Amino acid sequence: DGGITQSPKYLFRKEGQNVTLSCEQNLNHDAMYWYRQDPGQGLRLIYYSQIVNDFQKGDIAEGYSVSREKKESFPLTVTSAQKNPTAFYLCASSRGAFAGELFFGEGSRLTVL
Amino acid sequence: AQSVAQPEDQVNVAEGNPLTVKCTYSVSGNPYLFWYVQYPNRGLQFLLKYITGDNLVKGSYGFEAEFNKSQTSFHLKKPSALVSDSALYFCAVRPPDSNYQLIWGAGTKLIIKP
Repeated sequence: DGGITQSPKYLFRKEGQNVTLSCEQNLNHDAMYWYRQDPGQGLRLIYYSQIVNDFQKGDIAEGYSVSREKKESFPLTVTSAQKNPTAFYLCASSRGAFAGELFFGEGSRLTVL
Repeated sequence: AQSVAQPEDQVNVAEGNPLTVKCTYSVSGNPYLFWYVQYPNRGLQFLLKYITGDNLVKGSYGFEAEFNKSQTSFHLKKPSALVSDSALYFCAVRPPDSNYQLIWGAGTKLIIKP
């Protein structure tokens, strides 16, 4: 079945450590996104990528980095520069010309100890 | 500033009764409008969208939404609620001048009581 796979589902990190969240899709979608979700808030866009080897900052890119070396993969690195990294992270994809129907992964919950 | 408001943090409905989850927006032009649902500790699932045409849009799981341009609203509705409809519902708006940006509401927790 086609879909988006995020891993790990739960991740614990010590302060000062970088962590990388994986996102893989087999939907053959061109565009991929990373969102952050905090309780009581809407989703906030971290980064998005329209095509391979290209990506743009979203609203809250500081302290995060991404790569898009393959169409299927869009990993997110949460760096030690991110001041408040504890959150639920959601990866999504859409067909090339973004019409709004996003397909989401199951999410990764990061907790900083 | 462009924004999306979901004025109710939580909506409680008895099973079998009709439900409404409200959404209003402040976006210039003719935006695209969306509803998504999220079950606990899961990703979001697309329910329905309005782009143009009939103001009443039908979507997944028996949900529908009514677009009202004069009131800049896009309320989610269902004629008869199920306990399994209990979840977090998000309204999102894509401004007409944006290809990849969505403006999200804060979400409304829907609780359906047996």
